Amino acid sequence: DSGVTQTPKHLITATGQRVTLRCSPRSGDLSVYWYQQSLDQGLQFLIQYYNGEERAKGNILERFSAQQFPDLHSELNLSSLELGDSALYFCASSVGAGAPTNNQNTEAFFGQGTRLTVV
Amino acid sequence: GQSLEQPSEVTAVEGAIVQINCTYQTSGFYGLSWYQQHDGGAPTFLSYNALDGLEETGRFSSFLSRSDSYGYLLLQELQMKDSASYFCAVRGSGGYNKLIFGAGTRLAVHP
Repeated sequence: DSGVTQTPKHLITATGQRVTLRCSPRSGDLSVYWYQQSLDQGLQFLIQYYNGEERAKGNILERFSAQQFPDLHSELNLSSLELGDSALYFCASSVGAGAPTNNQNTEAFFGQGTRLTVV
Repeated sequence: GQSLEQPSEVTAVEGAIVQINCTYQTSGFYGLSWYQQHDGGAPTFLSYNALDGLEETGRFSSFLSRSDSYGYLLLQELQMKDSASYFCAVRGSGGYNKLIFGAGTRLAVHP
């Protein structure tokens, strides 16, 4: 158990709908990352937050948005869903987000993912 | 931007040694990490290299050459349970914040 909790585990919804995926980071971690993994594909970086602020953005669609709340949990909102949005969505957390000192690694811990199926 | 290249598939037999290579391009570099992912599971951290050289953790070792923008993961005494996808990942462009993954290498270990 990584300590990162994602809900729901599975989600089936229709095209055009909107869903919200939730992530609770490990206790003490300030950074939250969101990734999309389509079938047999790599992990596509979507967005990262640190202590409530957006810090980095990947190839996230305009239909997708995210936020990190004061209690550090994060939500990923996916709207106007299309069939191609069907994927595993992972959240990861790590301690920091700034440049490491002494080559310190800030390992990312992943949740079990939310499997989204758009029908 | 950032890009990473690694082989898509590798096959080996139990007890053998396998090396998974990763080359990367990034305008800034804060280290190369390796993650393992079993089918249907979450990626889990294996190793991290910030400096040139070899890091050993049990049966797994990871190597980095910053001048060559190259690293590899070495898996020794392969076991069936090592069958999984292995991803290299870098923190680089855009500061330390982005953790970008390669497309992954699927390792199949056969008896």
